[in-house]
Amino acid sequence: QKEVEQNSGPLSVPEGAIASLNCTYSDRGSQSFFWYRQYSGKSPELIMFIYSNGDKEDGRFTAQLNKASQYVSLLIRDSQPSDSATYLCAVRLDSNYQLIWGAGTKLIIKP
Amino acid sequence: DVKVTQSSRYLVKRTGEKVFLECVQDMDHENMFWYRQDPGLGLRLIYFSYDVKMKEKGDIPEGYSVSREKKERFSLILESASTNQTSMYLCASRGRQAGGQETQYFGPGTRLLVL
Repeated sequence: QKEVEQNSGPLSVPEGAIASLNCTYSDRGSQSFFWYRQYSGKSPELIMFIYSNGDKEDGRFTAQLNKASQYVSLLIRDSQPSDSATYLCAVRLDSNYQLIWGAGTKLIIKP
Repeated sequence: DVKVTQSSRYLVKRTGEKVFLECVQDMDHENMFWYRQDPGLGLRLIYFSYDVKMKEKGDIPEGYSVSREKKERFSLILESASTNQTSMYLCASRGRQAGGQETQYFGPGTRLLVL
């Protein structure tokens, strides 16, 4: 059973601080890793993608991948109230285009 | 902009009814997906289609079927609705963003209540 695990939260972070979201996966064949953001009542939208070990930065967002330890994380710097949402981690095996989804972490940024 | 539309935002049906959920994408994507999303369970794949008339079962296909007669349209059918199929249903199509990044584009979702 291929699994993607996330802490459901809620994770409460003060405005301006760094929010750190974590995700672990079970299948070592996983090749691509995605972070989607889902606002309440809305659909998921892609915010970050990573496939190589190490860090990938895009504005205030940094994705970190450690394939040896089978985890991927998302850091949000200078957190804003508008970052309050549920963050979904998704993993794709190289062999197909299906994504395996975590249940999501609810993030609350407190002003 | 990529657009994925779903036929209804909210739907109320009775147990035993046949229910049709329709999804249309306008970007000529080959791969399309149907998920259901329930609190604490995340997104679970029901069926996906990798081309016209091609379909494969996902993780929870029981009680559902799909139809893909045209590339832009992917329909989910609940053969005989049951109360445990009350859920949010999300359709997605797989494509690439402007920068070449692969992603799944989601429709707005259909919240189905089966009484």
